[in-house]
Parts: sequence; structure tokens; C-alpha cells
Amino acid sequence: GAGVSQSPSNKVTEKGKDVELRCDPISGHTALYWYRQSLGQGLEFLIYFQGNSAPDKSGLPSDRFSAERTGGSVSTLTIQRTQQEDSAVYLCASSLSTGGGLETQYFGPGTRLLVL
Amino acid sequence: RKEVEQDPGPFNVPEGATVAFNCTYSNSASQSFFWYRQDCRKEPKLLMSVYSSGNEDGRFTAQLNRASQYISLLIRDSKLSDSATYLCVDYNFNKFYFGSGTKLNVKP
Repeated sequence: GAGVSQSPSNKVTEKGKDVELRCDPISGHTALYWYRQSLGQGLEFLIYFQGNSAPDKSGLPSDRFSAERTGGSVSTLTIQRTQQEDSAVYLCASSLSTGGGLETQYFGPGTRLLVL
Repeated sequence: RKEVEQDPGPFNVPEGATVAFNCTYSNSASQSFFWYRQDCRKEPKLLMSVYSSGNEDGRFTAQLNRASQYISLLIRDSKLSDSATYLCVDYNFNKFYFGSGTKLNVKP
């Protein structure tokens, strides 16, 4: 079946511009996560959505970052007034979230963002 | 202190070798653990889940030591295709915490 998809796959923007990154999770997955991975680094948690609950935004690095999840499915990560340090791969993952810590996350291919 | 710590490597081993990676975690309440594999410029993919004391899948064995708060991954009979970065992950309170990864290079 279809996996997690993300768009665009690559984005080059100028410093100060806003960008929107999109994630389509696996159908039926209630949990959705956004991560950021800088070159040669590990994954940095950004935000977590679970069903209709309020999202866990504790990983967002600044108020320039925001995310929405409409209808419990598609999610958009928005970065306003981009800075060069925002350049990274932004990864989205989804899981069934059945509880008990047995969830498996499935990742999308990521969006490579370059801020000039 | 990071939630999950790993030796970044690289581990350079010949084909057929046995190699082991360790990963330590800081939260004793962590519920479960995973090993993910990430190829260069690709997304992470689940390799193994680690529940209770550990589990085995073919050439791969994962073990969990709750008393010492570490997880290990053992790869037997290494293949060239095993070359990748291996990410240790712990899960607690709805969040997945990723280590920075251990790089493995398997040489012919």
C-alpha cells in the first residue's frame, strides 16, 4: 500500500521567505510526527499530532515554526521568515498509535530545504 | 544529557565479520526501543523492535538491559549491504527519541 509521502522533495528558498512543507501519512494512522535532520546529525523532534488531541509542540525551535493537521490526515509544516540555519531535511512519520509503546513509525522520504 | 546516546563510529569491518553497537538511554521509564537503519540521503527504516529482554531476526540480534539502561545490536556475517547508519530509538510518553546514529562500513 501507499507509504508516507512528502512534498516538495526539495525546496530552495531565500532567507526571509516563508515555506510550507506537506505530509500525507499512511491512511488510518492516527499519530503523525515531524522531525528535522541536519547534515550528519540525528533526528530532532519538532511536533506530534495524535488524533483530535492538542498537538505536542514542545520540539518547535522558535515561533517561526508552526504545523497543522487537517481532518486528522494531511499535515503542513510552515516556517516563516526562513533563516539559513533552517536548512535541513524535514521528515514526517506516521504510526497507528495502538498504545503500549508498540508503535512502529513509518517515515516519508523527507523534504530537503535549503535557505540561501 | 541526551535522551539517547550512541557511539558515532564509523565502524569499519570486513565482510563476514560480527559487529556490535551499544546505545544508552537516560529515562528509566522508557517503554520500548527500536533500531532503525538509515542509508545515505534516505529516510530511516525500521530494522528491529526491542521488547523485554530482546529479540533476534536472522543475522540481527537486539538486546535490552534495563538495569544498566542500554540496548545493543549485534550483526553477524556482515554483508556489504549492511553499510548504513544505525539509529537507536527509545519511546516514552508518546515520543520517539532518536540517537545520532552509528555508522557502519562493511568492506570487501
